[in-house]
Amino acid sequence: DVKVTQSSRYLVKRTGEKVFLECVQDMDHENMFWYRQDPGLGLRLIYFSYDVKMKEKGDIPEGYSVSREKKERFSLILESASTNQTSMYLCASSSGQGGVGNGYTFGSGTRLTVV
Amino acid sequence: GEDVEQSLFLSVREGDSSVINCTYTDSSSTYLYWYKQEPGAGLQLLTYIFSNMDMKQDQRLTVLLNKKDKHLSLRIADTQTGDSAIYFCAASLSFGAGTTVTVRA
Repeated sequence: DVKVTQSSRYLVKRTGEKVFLECVQDMDHENMFWYRQDPGLGLRLIYFSYDVKMKEKGDIPEGYSVSREKKERFSLILESASTNQTSMYLCASSSGQGGVGNGYTFGSGTRLTVV
Repeated sequence: GEDVEQSLFLSVREGDSSVINCTYTDSSSTYLYWYKQEPGAGLQLLTYIFSNMDMKQDQRLTVLLNKKDKHLSLRIADTQTGDSAIYFCAASLSFGAGTTVTVRA
């Protein structure tokens, strides 16, 4: 069964901490994505990557960075966590060059609370 | 990103058909998607339609695409309690806010 695995289901961090959210996929997909999901706002794209060591800003990149050193792993970094970054974070991957192709495979999500 | 709009709530009686509507702004989207999110779970791809198609049917699911009006709909026939979930419309990299479908007995 193909998978996108997010390392933590729940995280609680303090304001100002540096936070790493890890995502690994086993489908040899070229493309990986980070979204945050908030009630009433749906999913908003933070960053995405179409290849190793490549990254592109999404709609809301401020306060975040990413790392893609290996094809299967895409990390989201909160440089200095703030309470407005409390959210559900969803990682997704897809095949197809430079796009969504025939759809995403999503991880189960990481619910981050910043206190 | 592009704007994707959908209504937030839909209540339907078990056995009836559900219709979830979505509008989008970017006509260059090659594919349009519907995802389902059950409580406490991640999103699961339900179906997608290629932009040069008008309709796609997959068992109880029918997707209709009106490219001129940039309108996408998902019809679920014979809605069951297991269909209670949040349904997201997506175009390119952008998602709508999600429609919460509640199935009542």
